[in-house]
Amino acid sequence: SQELEQSPQSLIVQEGKNLTINCTSSKTLYGLYWYKQKYGEGLIFLMMLQKGGEEKSHEKITAKLDEKKQQSSLHITASQPSHAGIYLCGASRAFGTGTRLTIIP
Amino acid sequence: GAGVSQSPSNKVTEKGKDVELRCDPISGHTALYWYRQSLGQGLEFLIYFQGNSAPDKSGLPSDRFSAERTGGSVSTLTIQRTQQEDSAVYLCASSLVGQGRVYEQYFGPGTRLTVT
Repeated sequence: SQELEQSPQSLIVQEGKNLTINCTSSKTLYGLYWYKQKYGEGLIFLMMLQKGGEEKSHEKITAKLDEKKQQSSLHITASQPSHAGIYLCGASRAFGTGTRLTIIP
Repeated sequence: GAGVSQSPSNKVTEKGKDVELRCDPISGHTALYWYRQSLGQGLEFLIYFQGNSAPDKSGLPSDRFSAERTGGSVSTLTIQRTQQEDSAVYLCASSLVGQGRVYEQYFGPGTRLTVT
């Protein structure tokens, strides 16, 4: 079965700083999603990547699927308090354990 | 409806009782998924439906857990003889299905189950 490992598990960043979250798969990825979960709330779909080398951006969040299609990175530029939450990568029916992002004013 | 809905939003039950959790997927979504999220943990896959059949039940933790889907729409997850370790948020998601491509899953708000 496919396993997804995220790093770091938690991240504390000062407001305005950039950050990167990584997701590594045990198998080739044929599509990877990124979701955000606010504490105690549901999952919000951010974006999906399907092709090796594909990169997508939404507001200040950029995600990329590497050429070998076994790793993805999520990059946030100029972080804001609204970016705080848990970020989850997912592929098919497997999800990573999440990265908890805290933004310090 | 506009999104995936789940009911109840919260359920407190006594150990040993049976519970039923309901999921209403987005209309037209063939695929339906059930996940479980324990406190501070990631998503644990339980079962996947395509239409009314469940080609992947590999995540069901024990035979106390079962699920069905009728009319290619509503799904019910049943937990018999609940145990304290069943306490978690149960999430349902639905998506389109297509050959050769992956579609995003849309999640419901979840049912928080507490077994006392």
